[in-house]
Amino acid sequence: NAGVMQNPRHLVRRRGQEARLRCSPMKGHSHVYWYRQLPEEGLKFMVYLQKENIIDESGMPKERFSAEFPKEGPSILRIQQVVRGDSAAYFCASRQGNQPQHFGDGTRLSIL
Amino acid sequence: RKEVEQDPGPFNVPEGATVAFNCTYSNSASQSFFWYRQDCRKEPKLLMSVYSSGNEDGRFTAQLNRASQYISLLIRDSKLSDSATYLCVARSGGYQKVTFGTGTKLQVIP
Repeated sequence: NAGVMQNPRHLVRRRGQEARLRCSPMKGHSHVYWYRQLPEEGLKFMVYLQKENIIDESGMPKERFSAEFPKEGPSILRIQQVVRGDSAAYFCASRQGNQPQHFGDGTRLSIL
Repeated sequence: RKEVEQDPGPFNVPEGATVAFNCTYSNSASQSFFWYRQDCRKEPKLLMSVYSSGNEDGRFTAQLNRASQYISLLIRDSKLSDSATYLCVARSGGYQKVTFGTGTKLQVIP
């Protein structure tokens, strides 16, 4: 019974490149959340998606960041033209119904 | 004012001690509450849900005070392995907005 799967675990990009982070929710979960965490800081909510719909993107930067959760396949967090300040751990969580969220291991993004 | 507020700590306590964390929330529409723990550079993991009547899981006790809008976590007989950051979470109804506190750091010392 696999948990939330995120890949890659580590991603290195140069400034100006694109970063794509993937999240496969737990089986049967249709709600996905993305969070960003800078070193020594708390989790920052980015976006909440339900299959094919963005429910709340109030935590997403206005530019360069986008997220999707297609009918088939994983949720994708996409960062275009990355900058040094995008370096962080990005966590995905999923849930179903009234159950609590469960987190993936995260993707550590490093920008050179 | 943050929606969910926690004392960042750190709380440094000796092994065997009892320690308590409080967390306040500002959204009166919050309906569900949870405690997560996060170890350094790891993902948050669910510790326990918090029920209105209070609930206990081994050495851990969680309580909710809706009138004062705070939840608490009590850890008895602290172990070295309890050292972590404890995150308080409030979830509202409707589309179920989830808000995490910034966490309280606990360090249990031998």
